[in-house]
Amino acid sequence: GAVVSQHPSWVICKSGTSVKIECRSLDFQATTMFWYRQFPKQSLMLMATSNEGSKATYEQGVEKDKFLINHASLTLSTLTVTSAHPEDSSFYICSVPTSGGQRGTDTQYFGPGTRLTVL
Amino acid sequence: QKEVEQDPGPLSVPEGAIVSLNCTYSNSAFQYFMWYRQYSRKGPELLMYTYSSGNKEDGRFTAQVDKSSKYISLFIRDSQPSDSATYLCAMRKRGSARQLTFGSGTQLTVLP
Repeated sequence: GAVVSQHPSWVICKSGTSVKIECRSLDFQATTMFWYRQFPKQSLMLMATSNEGSKATYEQGVEKDKFLINHASLTLSTLTVTSAHPEDSSFYICSVPTSGGQRGTDTQYFGPGTRLTVL
Repeated sequence: QKEVEQDPGPLSVPEGAIVSLNCTYSNSAFQYFMWYRQYSRKGPELLMYTYSSGNKEDGRFTAQVDKSSKYISLFIRDSQPSDSATYLCAMRKRGSARQLTFGSGTQLTVLP
């Protein structure tokens, strides 16, 4: 499976500041990456799809001006939480979709996540 | 009603027990099924991937799919304390651009 890294693994910031989270696909070129958010004891909620060479597509209810996504290369996508507030505190996880080479075997490999705490 | 339902637990079993984790879904468009394991404060790790009804075995893990009943299961044999984690089922629809729909996760603790 694909190896995915995220940086930083955790970050604490003051309310009103911006935070950038990086997601890297270490052994697989990805034209698409996904960004999820996970609150404690809840499942993953898809926030947006990061597309290399084009704008990200956001899920309903996710503010695109608040969560800026840049798919800088085939191995790097960044999520910037702008003007962060305490309610943005969460676990942010990226994933890289891959194909097993057979029809319908697409699945996703996840990064280790970034824990954001906004004071 | 959620598209994917999963009993959140928590589930606590003694070491060596057989564990059964389950998800139901309502939309027959789901064709591909996955189980992920997530340790605390870590990203999900893919355990099993299936796309046809029946059983798929990998070591101590068996994934079972019953499309007619819209029901999937993950069995863990000879459970170990290291299996203690949250288990998430995930599903994908044909032609869905690889987007997954997750269950809420079941928290499992295996007691030594």
